[in-house]
Amino acid sequence: QKEVEQNSGPLSVPEGAIASLNCTYSDRGSQSFFWYRQYSGKSPELIMSIYSNGDKEDGRFTAQLNKASQYVSLLIRDSQPSDSATYLCAVNDPGNNRKLIWGLGTSLAVNP
Amino acid sequence: DAGVIQSPRHEVTEMGQEVTLRCKPISGHNSLFWYRQTMMRGLELLIYFNNNVPIDDSGMPEDRFSAKMPNASFSTLKIQPSEPRDSAVYFCASGGGVETQYFGPGTRLLVL
Repeated sequence: QKEVEQNSGPLSVPEGAIASLNCTYSDRGSQSFFWYRQYSGKSPELIMSIYSNGDKEDGRFTAQLNKASQYVSLLIRDSQPSDSATYLCAVNDPGNNRKLIWGLGTSLAVNP
Repeated sequence: DAGVIQSPRHEVTEMGQEVTLRCKPISGHNSLFWYRQTMMRGLELLIYFNNNVPIDDSGMPEDRFSAKMPNASFSTLKIQPSEPRDSAVYFCASGGGVETQYFGPGTRLLVL
């Protein structure tokens, strides 16, 4: 059974702090990794993708990938109340590249 | 671009009734995905199409579920007969590849 695991949270951080969201995956063959943000009552939206080991930065967001440890993380710097949402980690299914395997998500609350 | 369009946005029906969910993907996208999201099971892929052809329907829970994509601009997901355990949010997503899945607003289904 291919799995993606995330801490369900809620993760609570004060405004301006760094929020760190973590994800582990079971299949070493996965090559593509994604972070989606989902506001309550809304649909998931892609915020970051990463394919190589190391860090990828986009504004206040940094994705980190460590394939040896089968670990991917998302850092949100200078967290804002508008970042409060559920963050979904998804990885490609190596047996079927058009499929994504999804984590259950981590709920983030940024407190003013 | 209008994005992925889904209808209806909300559906309340009684057990045993037929439910039809509709999706219009983003023009030019050649992949279409149907997902179901619940608190307990998270986001589950039900079926996906590539160039209007069903590629993988292994996520379809039972024969009560069926999906069609008669052309590049329209897809349906049908549940017949519906049961209370089918209550969930159903998302349609389209994309040109696995890393470009764009989600519609979803249909909230409640089966009484």
